[in-house]
Amino acid sequence: DQQVKQNSPSLSVQEGRISILNCDYTNSMFDYFLWYKKYPAEGPTFLISISSIKDKNEDGRFTVFLNKSAKHLSLHIVPSQPGDSAVYFCAASKKAGKSTFGDGTTLTVKP
Amino acid sequence: NAGVTQTPKFQVLKTGQSMTLQCAQDMNHNSMYWYRQDPGMGLRLIYYSASEGTTDKGEVPNGYNVSRLNKREFSLRLESAAPSQTSVYFCASMAAEATNEKLFFGSGTQLSVL
Repeated sequence: DQQVKQNSPSLSVQEGRISILNCDYTNSMFDYFLWYKKYPAEGPTFLISISSIKDKNEDGRFTVFLNKSAKHLSLHIVPSQPGDSAVYFCAASKKAGKSTFGDGTTLTVKP
Repeated sequence: NAGVTQTPKFQVLKTGQSMTLQCAQDMNHNSMYWYRQDPGMGLRLIYYSASEGTTDKGEVPNGYNVSRLNKREFSLRLESAAPSQTSVYFCASMAAEATNEKLFFGSGTQLSVL
């Protein structure tokens, strides 16, 4: 049973527009959520995180929203830039636990 | 700063061969992890080491062994490689597992088992 799901394998947006990447989880014990970004032939790099006590966290062009009742989080990128084209992984962890990753969403930002 | 360094970057093995993937971090992190990523899938945890001297199984440990050589180094060994172990392997570290912090990843090892 996959505990973290990213149901959209790919997303294509125009430069300057908003990108919205979605993630659903099933385990109510998860209390910390992270987004990682991965370019080809590189390891994932941390992008942004949110604790379950919050419903929003913002860092520059990146905002993560958490809806605990729906067990859903989303990553908003505004405005999207061609350099944002990458694979985005959602991850969830329990307190003092290991992260469980989704399968990733490939974002393509077209100039 | 090097961060997390993995060697080798690429490796081709024949079924039944053995090899060790090396990983070292220079951030004085306590916790280290080995993940594998198969095409179209997320990262799955193979083994982890919460602190020097300890190792534990993750989600997919079968066919692998690990050694936490010291605080800096965490190696992954395939004793008898199988085609199902063809994957990209990532080593990662975290300051301390007791805190909810981000993982720092190496650049990966692409392994093909023929």
